[in-house]
Amino acid sequence: IAGITQAPTSQILAAGRRMTLRCTQDMRHNAMYWYRQDLGLGLRLIHYSNTAGTTGKGEVPDGYSVSRANTDDFPLTLASAVPSQTSVYFCASSAGLAGGTDTQYFGPGTRLTVL
Amino acid sequence: GQNIDQPTEMTATEGAIVQINCTYQTSGFNGLFWYQQHAGEAPTFLSYNVLDGLEEKGRFSSFLSRSKGYSYLLLKELQMKDSASYLCAASFMNDYKLSFGAGTTVTVRA
Repeated sequence: IAGITQAPTSQILAAGRRMTLRCTQDMRHNAMYWYRQDLGLGLRLIHYSNTAGTTGKGEVPDGYSVSRANTDDFPLTLASAVPSQTSVYFCASSAGLAGGTDTQYFGPGTRLTVL
Repeated sequence: GQNIDQPTEMTATEGAIVQINCTYQTSGFNGLFWYQQHAGEAPTFLSYNVLDGLEEKGRFSSFLSRSKGYSYLLLKELQMKDSASYLCAASFMNDYKLSFGAGTTVTVRA
């Protein structure tokens, strides 16, 4: 069982380009999340999805979009990358059981540099 | 965010004990997570507290006081491999999302 996979591992991108970061989980988790992690700021939530077909905005959603067409996949798209989006991006998932607080499990991360 | 506060850095000697404190706002609070993150790696789950008191897991223990909005992670018998960032994260009622602190970097010295 792989858990959560992310692709690519790292990417250097020219400003203004479109980029999709991929995230796939095989744990049949209902909820999925995208975070960015910057030095001194910790993990900040970009977007989340409580179940397939639904998405919501997190703390720093501007410049990013997501979709959740099925349970396993939760891609994050940067429509027109800017240098301030240089960061490490983590995808996470949790069981998302109603009425409970559940543990989030993280993918290995994507290191994105926008020049 | 939900004002999750924890110290930026701590240094300790191999074999010693270190306590990492975390404070959070109590309004709507549900539970408190601790994660460990080694440099260049993903965060991994360490502990979860929802009730007041101490939860012990081997060399690591986590404490919660709901009324005080306070938690700590206690690392005993420190080993070099414990050098990492430790993230405090709070969950709030009727919400799967977590609010993370900025993390505490622990350096273990020989």
